[in-house]
Amino acid sequence: DTGVSQDPRHKITKRGQNVTFRCDPISEHNRLYWYRQTLGQGPEFLTYFQNEAQLEKSRLLSDRFSAERPKGSFSTLEIQRTEQGDSAMYLCASSPRANGYAQYFGPGTRLTVT
Amino acid sequence: QQQVKQSPQSLIVQKGGISIINCAYENTAFDYFPWYQQFPGKGPALLIAIRPDVSEKKEGRFTISFNKSAKQFSLHIMDSQPGDSATYFCAASTNAGKSTFGDGTTLTVKP
Repeated sequence: DTGVSQDPRHKITKRGQNVTFRCDPISEHNRLYWYRQTLGQGPEFLTYFQNEAQLEKSRLLSDRFSAERPKGSFSTLEIQRTEQGDSAMYLCASSPRANGYAQYFGPGTRLTVT
Repeated sequence: QQQVKQSPQSLIVQKGGISIINCAYENTAFDYFPWYQQFPGKGPALLIAIRPDVSEKKEGRFTISFNKSAKQFSLHIMDSQPGDSATYFCAASTNAGKSTFGDGTTLTVKP
């Protein structure tokens, strides 16, 4: 068990470009969450999956954001037409079937939009 | 609308002392109240958690106190150590696991 992994760890992009992040959850976990964290703030919920189904998406999430978990394993988060306000740490977490409350976070992907 | 308010924003404690961080929540639909510890450059790590039908939970040096009627809960770190220096987040989670976090408390434990 290697824990939750995220790739890349850092991404610098120019405004207007599209970016995609990947999350690999702990293998037996069926729930997967995406959060965004800015400096000095707690993580903010973006969306979550149970297996391959996306069950909830934050109302704060722009239409430029989309997430997938095609086979119920890894997940991708895409941001289209990035803006400077998208600069943040994007965190992925997973939780096991038996206890959906205990979330295990990955190290995050730090996005900088210039 | 911030549903979980955390205080203090920063805390300095001497080694061996007790660190206390407080949180208050507004929504009664939460089912689970975890605390996370985060070191710079790392993701949050689950520290300890409590359900609303329990008033206190202790794991090692960490204790959560929960007051359902007041919608408040707190983390106590006994015998604080320099290695405890980190940012601590309280959270409130629904039964789906969707978590609302406080803004964090930066704890510094002086040797």
